[in-house]
Amino acid sequence: KNEVEQSPQNLTAQEGEFITINCSYSVGISALHWLQQHPGGGIVSLFMLSSGKKKHGRLIATINIQEKHSSLHITASHPRDSAVYICAVSSGSARQLTFGSGTQLTVLP
Amino acid sequence: DADVTQTPRNRITKTGKRIMLECSQTKGHDRMYWYRQDPGLGLRLIYYSFDVKDINKGEISDGYSVSRQAQAKFSLSLESAIPNQTALYFCATSDFGQGQYFGPGTRLTVT
Repeated sequence: KNEVEQSPQNLTAQEGEFITINCSYSVGISALHWLQQHPGGGIVSLFMLSSGKKKHGRLIATINIQEKHSSLHITASHPRDSAVYICAVSSGSARQLTFGSGTQLTVLP
Repeated sequence: DADVTQTPRNRITKTGKRIMLECSQTKGHDRMYWYRQDPGLGLRLIYYSFDVKDINKGEISDGYSVSRQAQAKFSLSLESAIPNQTALYFCATSDFGQGQYFGPGTRLTVT
C-alpha cells in the first residue's frame, strides 16, 4: 500500500464547477504539501500545511491530522486550472517528501 | 531569471554512457534534492543534501551518484546509463520548514 493515496486519479469538470481532490496518508507527518504540475512539466508548490486550512485565491487546502486526510478545493474552476495536482507528505528526521501519484484535472470551457 | 535551473533540459544518450545533470539555484537555500518522475509512479527521491558536506541517499539511489560543488550547485550523475533510467528528473531546493522550489526538469532518454 502506498503511503500517500490520492483520489480521484483523473477528474474532468466544466468551467465554474467546485472541485475537490483528496489525499490520504498512512504515516505520521510533519507537514503536507500540495503541488501543481503544468502540462509543460513544471512543478509549483501551492501549499504547505500541518493543521487547519489555508487559502490562496480560488484554492483552499485543508488537513485533518487525526484522520490523516487532506483536501484541495478549487472554487469557480477555469480551464487554466487544468494540471496534475500532487499531494506529498514530509516525515522523518530529514523531513523527506513522499509523493502521491497525482490527480489529472481537466477543466472544460 | 529562474530561481532553480537545470541543464540540459532534454538529453538522449545510449546505454552505458556516463551522463551528468546539473542544477543551480539562486534562492540561497541549503537544502537541495534530486527526484525522478515516471508515469503513474509519481516523484521519487534519489538523493538529497542539507549542506555542502551533507549528502544522503533517497529511496532510489542505486545507479546514481551526486556532487554538491557549492551551496548553489548540486549535480546528479549516471555512471553507466541504462534504459530504465529513462525518466523526467527534477531538482528542488528548500529552506527548513518551507515548501520546495522545483527546477523545470530534465527529460532523459536512454536508448
